[in-house]
Amino acid sequence: SQKIEQNSEALNIQEGKTATLTCNYTNYSPAYLQWYRQDPGRGPVFLLLIRENEKEKRKERLKVTFDTTLKQSLFHITASQPADSATYLCAGGGGKLIFGQGTELSVKP
Amino acid sequence: DTAVSQTPKYLVTQMGNDKSIKCEQNLGHDTMYWYKQDSKKFLKIMFSYNNKELIINETVPNRFSPKSPDKAHLNLHINSLELGDSAVYFCASSQDQGDDGYTFGSGTRLTVV
Repeated sequence: SQKIEQNSEALNIQEGKTATLTCNYTNYSPAYLQWYRQDPGRGPVFLLLIRENEKEKRKERLKVTFDTTLKQSLFHITASQPADSATYLCAGGGGKLIFGQGTELSVKP
Repeated sequence: DTAVSQTPKYLVTQMGNDKSIKCEQNLGHDTMYWYKQDSKKFLKIMFSYNNKELIINETVPNRFSPKSPDKAHLNLHINSLELGDSAVYFCASSQDQGDDGYTFGSGTRLTVV
């Protein structure tokens, strides 16, 4: 079945460092990948979309890559801040949006 | 100015009851969705409507019935609630297939006791 897999282990990093989150997809080729942020008790909030023909996309301190050979997307937050602490969800699209289980990021001051 | 609003935010009910969750969006989007988020945080698509027409109907028990009176509203009715239905249910909307991202509501936490 079509799957989006993210590292389920929480990621703990120091403020100011770059956080890198991984998203892998199996058994399909999404036309695009989306990244969302979810805070406790809230709905996911859309951050970025990258299409399969794009290698990299940036938005302020966020950078996303899409490697169709590795079937993987990397999500980077540079100069991380404690306010970036949240769960980040990867989703593959093209028909219906399939979500990964999310990776919890904790940025310590 | 809430873009996607769902009511109620919390719902505690007994097994066997019937309940409804309402969703409204004021973004002018033409596609709306219901997702279920279980305790492991996986968001699973349940239904999708485009301009009041059902376009995605995942493997969901018949006890779940969506209804879209117009493209700004998508309600979810659940019959004969079971313990396993306890989860957070999210409504979302998008323009067309969602290339510009989905906008989610804040969720309805359903607890069946």
